[in-house]
Amino acid sequence: AQSVSQHNHHVILSEAASLELGCNYSYGGTVNLFWYVQYPGQHLQLLLKYFSGDPLVKGIKGFEAEFIKSKFSFNLRKPSVQWSDTAEYFCAVRGGSQGNLIFGKGTKLSVKP
Amino acid sequence: DSGVTQTPKHLITATGQRVTLRCSPRSGDLSVYWYQQSLDQGLQFLIQYYNGEERAKGNILERFSAQQFPDLHSELNLSSLELGDSALYFCASSAWLQANYGYTFGSGTRLTVV
Repeated sequence: AQSVSQHNHHVILSEAASLELGCNYSYGGTVNLFWYVQYPGQHLQLLLKYFSGDPLVKGIKGFEAEFIKSKFSFNLRKPSVQWSDTAEYFCAVRGGSQGNLIFGKGTKLSVKP
Repeated sequence: DSGVTQTPKHLITATGQRVTLRCSPRSGDLSVYWYQQSLDQGLQFLIQYYNGEERAKGNILERFSAQQFPDLHSELNLSSLELGDSALYFCASSAWLQANYGYTFGSGTRLTVV
């Protein structure tokens, strides 16, 4: 069965610090990979997705992620975080004939002003 | 507004009761997915419907059932409710059977069982 691991449960950063959130998945075939963000009290919104091609994917709000197939990883990065990036971040995978996405448990990011 | 509509936003009910959560997918989307979000379990996939037919099942309890109607809206029925069923229930939709490009999520229904 497919699964997703997010290594950090809660990350606390100061504004302007760089961010990297880890995500590893378990599926040996072709995958689609996603990062979603959930701001407090809101629904999940798509940050970025990897479908095929360039493994470095750029998303909204200055976020990017790199797909490293050999490491089964899809880490999320942002060079300089802002207080408004405080939210919970979810990594997700879809593989093979499966229609639905499998989500990691999420990483809560708190950015101190 | 994501285009996926869920009602009601909040629901408080007693143990043993039955509730129905409703979801209208984004216009043109044929797939509807239901997820349960709780603090300890994260986002758990419950069930997927595509164009009226059940297509995938996840960790859905036997007390829970769902359906998708001809107009593509979906309902999730939760019965014999227990305290542990308290959670956020999200609906998401996508255009096709396989969510290659991801989902659009609704705002969720917060269910509290007392």
